[in-house]
Amino acid sequence: DTAVSQTPKYLVTQMGNDKSIKCEQNLGHDTMYWYKQDSKKFLKIMFSYNNKELIINETVPNRFSPKSPDKAHLNLHINSLELGDSAVYFCASSQSTLRNTEAFFGQGTRLTVV
Amino acid sequence: ILNVEQSPQSLHVQEGDSTNFTCSFPSSNFYALHWYRWETAKSPEALFVMTLNGDEKKKGRISATLNTKEGYSYLYIKGSQPEDSATYLCASMEYGNKLVFGAGTILRVKS
Repeated sequence: DTAVSQTPKYLVTQMGNDKSIKCEQNLGHDTMYWYKQDSKKFLKIMFSYNNKELIINETVPNRFSPKSPDKAHLNLHINSLELGDSAVYFCASSQSTLRNTEAFFGQGTRLTVV
Repeated sequence: ILNVEQSPQSLHVQEGDSTNFTCSFPSSNFYALHWYRWETAKSPEALFVMTLNGDEKKKGRISATLNTKEGYSYLYIKGSQPEDSATYLCASMEYGNKLVFGAGTILRVKS
C-alpha cells in the first residue's frame, strides 16, 4: 500500500488549459503539503493544509488553488497553465509538526506544459 | 526564507569507502533539521529528524550529527554500497511548519 499517492504520474498539456493533480495519504496524518521542484532541483513549499484548513500559502500565483475535501486528500488545481509551470510537483504529509516527525512524500507528478 | 546549502554537489566513491556530506543552515530561529534519501524515480524518504545541538543519530551504516550553534549537520555513510547511490537532501524547518530544502548531494557508489 502506497502511503502517499499522487495521480497522475505524468501530465502533458497545452498552455492555457486547466488541470488537477490529486493526492491521497492513508497514514492518518493531519497535515498535507504541496512542494514544487524548481528548475534548479530545489523542493519548495507551495501550500500546507492542517485538518482541511489552509496553513501555508507561499508566494504562488493564484492560478494554483489547493483543495482539501478531507484530511486524507489534498488536490492541486492549476488554471490557465503556462510554460513556466512545467515542473515536478510533490505531495507530502506529516503527523502535525515537522519539529518531531518526518514528512512522507508521494512519487511526484511531472507536469509538462507545451 | 532560510538558505540551506549542501556540499558537495555530487560525489563518486568506490564500494567500501566511507563518505560524508555537509548541510549548512542559518543557526538563528532553528527548529529542526531533516535528512532525506531520494532514489531516482522514487519518493524522498526520511532518514533523520534532529532538533538538539550535539544530537547524533544512526540508522545502520548511516549516521548524522547536528551543530545548531554554528548551523551545520554532517551525514556519514560507513562502507558505502552501490544501493546507497541516491540524492541526499537536508531541510531546515522554518517557522510555520515548513521545510526549506538544500539542493542535495548526489552520491554514486561504484562496485
